[in-house]
Amino acid sequence: GAGVSQSPSNKVTEKGKDVELRCDPISGHTALYWYRQSLGQGLEFLIYFQGNSAPDKSGLPSDRFSAERTGGSVSTLTIQRTQQEDSAVYLCASSLRDKYGGDTEAFFGQGTRLTVV
Amino acid sequence: KNEVEQSPQNLTAQEGEFITINCSYSVGISALHWLQQHPGGGIVSLFMLSSGKKKHGRLIATINIQEKHSSLHITASHPRDSAVYICAVRSKWDGGATNKLIFGTGTLLAVQP
Repeated sequence: GAGVSQSPSNKVTEKGKDVELRCDPISGHTALYWYRQSLGQGLEFLIYFQGNSAPDKSGLPSDRFSAERTGGSVSTLTIQRTQQEDSAVYLCASSLRDKYGGDTEAFFGQGTRLTVV
Repeated sequence: KNEVEQSPQNLTAQEGEFITINCSYSVGISALHWLQQHPGGGIVSLFMLSSGKKKHGRLIATINIQEKHSSLHITASHPRDSAVYICAVRSKWDGGATNKLIFGTGTLLAVQP
C-alpha cells in the first residue's frame, strides 16, 4: 500500500496475555518508530529502528515490551503479560533518511487501539 | 517541565478567525514537526521545518531556532480544522544515535460555525 499499515486496528485482550502488534512501513523507508498514546495523554516514544543499526529502545516502559524489525521492513511490537495500564493507541511511523543523515518527514499509521481488560 | 511546551492547550474560535498555536522547546533539535490528529483518527504530518517558514494552503508554520519557538497559523479557519494539533521536535541527530520525536501535549482546536 501507499501508506503505513498497522494491524490489528483494534485489539481487546485479557490481563496477563501476550499481544503482537504489526506495522508495515512505507516501502523503502529505512526509519521506523513506535509510539503510544494513552487516554488523555500525549504521544510517548517507545522504540526507533534505522536501517541495520541497533534500535533505540530507550522509550520502552518495561521489559515486557519488545520489538523486532525483520528484513528492514515489517516490525512487530510485542507486549508480554499485558497489564491494564498498557491500554493505549499504539502508533507506528516511518520515514526516509535524508542526505545529511537525519530522517525526513514521518508518515503515521492509523494505530492499533489496545484494550486490556 | 516538559521538553516541548504548547499553548494554548484548548482553543475555541469562530469560523473565519485567524488562529495561532505556539510551541516552545528546550532541547537541541534537527527539525520540528506540526501534526494534526482528528478525533478517533490517525495522525497526519502537516509540516517539517528546521528554519524559516513554510506555507501550505491556509496553514503557515514558522520557526525561530535561536528562540527555540515555533508557531502554527491557520488563516480563515473552518470547522473542518477542528482537531488536535501537536508539535514534535526531532532531537539532534548524532551520527547514528537516536532520531526520536519528542511530543508536546497538543492543542485541542474547536472551530465553531
